[in-house]
Amino acid sequence: GAVVSQHPSWVICKSGTSVKIECRSLDFQATTMFWYRQFPKQSLMLMATSNEGSKATYEQGVEKDKFLINHASLTLSTLTVTSAHPEDSSFYICSARARAEIYTQYFGPGTRLTVL
Amino acid sequence: GENVEQHPSTLSVQEGDSAVIKCTYSDSASNYFPWYKQELGKRPQLIIDIRSNVGEKKDQRIAVTLNKTAKHFSLHITETQPEDSAVYFCAALLRASYGKLTFGQGTILTVHP
Repeated sequence: GAVVSQHPSWVICKSGTSVKIECRSLDFQATTMFWYRQFPKQSLMLMATSNEGSKATYEQGVEKDKFLINHASLTLSTLTVTSAHPEDSSFYICSARARAEIYTQYFGPGTRLTVL
Repeated sequence: GENVEQHPSTLSVQEGDSAVIKCTYSDSASNYFPWYKQELGKRPQLIIDIRSNVGEKKDQRIAVTLNKTAKHFSLHITETQPEDSAVYFCAALLRASYGKLTFGQGTILTVHP
């Protein structure tokens, strides 16, 4: 149980275009979802926290107008990278927390974004 | 906010040896400390975790110790195997942060056969 999927697993796009990444909890309801960004050989950096039905909370330094997060249901959150540039190329990972679990986060497999 | 420091950044051991990775955290209100193993291009996998009301936890070859007074926790892997080679991350969860994890910088563990 407790499976989180992400789609797509990798995407290549041209500079200036927008890319949408989906994060789904397959067998549980995720009241909270987290979006991380991981550059090569670096740690996971939290970008934002989203709760179902409410606006996402962004970490300091993360542009909310550039990284649009929507958590419209208890099983789906989306991250849209708008007007992507080469410096946005990274590994984007989501995680989800179930209602009854205070601590455990279930991670998605990640999405490799390459902006040309 | 919370800050987590992890050492060493790289660790190389011979198969069968033990490996120890250490982390320190800044906020005494943090109460949950997971350890993750991440292979290249894959998701982080939870390998062991400890809560602040426990000093030590063991799961076969893996153990974690927590010193709340000193605000540090450590991962111990005994009888290392080549398949233990990966990047290991510690993390801390601040009780009032609604589940936000702060990660350490990571340790690249290489186990030589």
